Amino acid sequence: NAGVTQTPKFQVLKTGQSMTLQCAQDMNHNSMYWYRQDPGMGLRLIYYSASEGTTDKGEVPNGYNVSRLNKREFSLRLESAAPSQTSVYFCASSANQPQHFGDGTRLSIL
Amino acid sequence: SQQGEEDPQALSIQEGENATMNCSYKTSINNLQWYRQNSGRGLVHLILIRSNEREKHSGRLRVTLDTSKKSSSLLITASRAADTASYFCAGQGGSQGNLIFGKGTKLSVKP
Repeated sequence: NAGVTQTPKFQVLKTGQSMTLQCAQDMNHNSMYWYRQDPGMGLRLIYYSASEGTTDKGEVPNGYNVSRLNKREFSLRLESAAPSQTSVYFCASSANQPQHFGDGTRLSIL
Repeated sequence: SQQGEEDPQALSIQEGENATMNCSYKTSINNLQWYRQNSGRGLVHLILIRSNEREKHSGRLRVTLDTSKKSSSLLITASRAADTASYFCAGQGGSQGNLIFGKGTKLSVKP
């Protein structure tokens, strides 16, 4: 049972490039989330999806878009990467609470 | 904005000692959760305490919640080197019920 799987694990981009971070869960959870974690900080919510077919903005949505492809998959897209988006990105899913997290994507933007 | 603020930011203890971490939060919550993060990994849920509960135990973990002071504490008893990690509190509240995380306490347990 894999839980929450994120791909890729590491990525380096140049400013202005685009990229999609992938997330899949195999726990049949309705809700999925994207967070970013910066050094010395807790997690900040970027976007979430309470159920298949719905997405909503979190605390820091600017510069990102999301797609809830189906119940299992929730992707995060950076259309034009900026150095300020250098971070570790975590995907999570939940049936209600608690949330189950993937191991993150470490993204550097030069 | 961060919901929780953990205290201390870093804690270093010897194996066998108890570790206490505190969390203060800003707004009303339905529950408060504690998560652990090992270096380079995702967060793992430890324990959830509801707003109508004052204390909860799970193995070597003891969590308290004081809603009048908007604070919670996590006690790890008889700590082990494997407890070395960052610990985060997260409050769940509001209409969407999303979690809002604190900045975490980095715990180092020396063998």
